[in-house]
Amino acid sequence: DAKTTQPPSMDCAEGRAANLPCNHSTISGNEYVYWYRQIHSQGPQYIIHGLKNNETNEMASLIITEDRKSSTLILPHATLRDTAVYYCIVSPPTGANNLFFGTGTRLTVIP
Amino acid sequence: GAVVSQHPSRVICKSGTSVKIECRSLDFQATTMFWYRQFPKQSLMLMATSNEGSKATYEQGVEKDKFLINHASLTLSTLTVTSAHPEDSSFYICSARRGGGTGELFFGEGSRLTVL
Repeated sequence: DAKTTQPPSMDCAEGRAANLPCNHSTISGNEYVYWYRQIHSQGPQYIIHGLKNNETNEMASLIITEDRKSSTLILPHATLRDTAVYYCIVSPPTGANNLFFGTGTRLTVIP
Repeated sequence: GAVVSQHPSRVICKSGTSVKIECRSLDFQATTMFWYRQFPKQSLMLMATSNEGSKATYEQGVEKDKFLINHASLTLSTLTVTSAHPEDSSFYICSARRGGGTGELFFGEGSRLTVL
């Protein structure tokens, strides 16, 4: 069973920030939060991950609440190419652990 | 980032034949690879965990005799769909976890199987 809850869909205006929430209230102490996205008919693409500190890379920022029960992926300046399904996953970083994808959030960037 | 490649990207076959899909980690060694299946407008469903040098671990409801997985080297895992039927038509995706990292998965491009 997926350990995360995400809204099924969101819209965002091109050039604006897209904030995608994820609830993971049952996260364990050794589990990281990973974000991936899947553009239609392609394999998922890694975006970012974090344990408890906020993280930023060239693609996005990840804000994790202090209690680690939720997080937000931020795309600072959404473009049309960011239209995709975004998946939030929690998992330990090592071992052959099952990695379950929930239904994700379908982000549509509007011109 | 790390690269995982799948081949073929598309395959069409007749019912009753077998199809092999390859998954390669191009710039890192992967002791574990994962195979997913995705039907239209649905999320990825984990089928099995492929372990180098040992038997794969299958998720509940996935027939191990139908979906044969071989992980003979640290850079190659194969999924063979045996005696394929139209209901096996789907998007098959593999992923690998780079050892020594912080657990991020890298996915292949996916392989779309159509069984006629």
